[in-house]
Amino acid sequence: QVQLQQSGPGLVKPSQTLSLTCAISGDSVSSNSAAWNWIRQSPSRGLEWLGRTYYRSKWYNDYAVSVKSRITINPDTSKNQFSLQLNSVTPEDTAVYYCARDRIVAVGAYYYYYMDVWGKGTTVTVSS
Amino acid sequence: QSVLTQPPSASGTPGQRVTISCSGSSSNIGSNIVNWYQQLPGTAPKLLIYSNNQRPSGVPDRFSGSKSGTSASLAISGLQSEDETDYYCAAWDDSLNGRVFGGGTKLTVL
Repeated sequence: QVQLQQSGPGLVKPSQTLSLTCAISGDSVSSNSAAWNWIRQSPSRGLEWLGRTYYRSKWYNDYAVSVKSRITINPDTSKNQFSLQLNSVTPEDTAVYYCARDRIVAVGAYYYYYMDVWGKGTTVTVSS
Repeated sequence: QSVLTQPPSASGTPGQRVTISCSGSSSNIGSNIVNWYQQLPGTAPKLLIYSNNQRPSGVPDRFSGSKSGTSASLAISGLQSEDETDYYCAAWDDSLNGRVFGGGTKLTVL
């Protein structure tokens, strides 16, 4: 049974860097059939996908346009986890942050992803 | 403003069948699978339907999904009080090269 355990500070000062970690059990961050996502949720922005990392003979990242200049998602194979770093935060980045696994499903000749396992969420407040 | 459009609210009486719509475009729903999530207050979203109409193990067959063109629907039959919560649709968007969500629908069981 796959589980995702999130950790990181709940309070970050404006202009600083938000850092969260998602530890994986029951699967591997290096899996060739999974991808590892960060999503956030706030009353003003709803559910917002931030990005993902995945391994297909080499590491790849996809990032949301809205945060592309400020975000880094890194895998840590030694600890079987992945992390989120969001730079230059403002109060607009206040949200509940979730990590989630993408699984692959084959539909005909094509492959698609769906997020099936989520972490419990971390409430992050950006305030001085 | 969310890329996928859902009605903000829906309602039904116990035992009734309700549907929740999700409207998108050719770059998301029109060319990718749609997934549905149920979110209880204070908890993470839970996968309800994947690949348009597939139920993960453990999800009751009262929940079903469908997709046609650039729209998708979630149907809940035999409505129960425990179904009263928020529902979200999601899909990959090829133009944005990212995942997009609907704004969510709050289901009320009258």
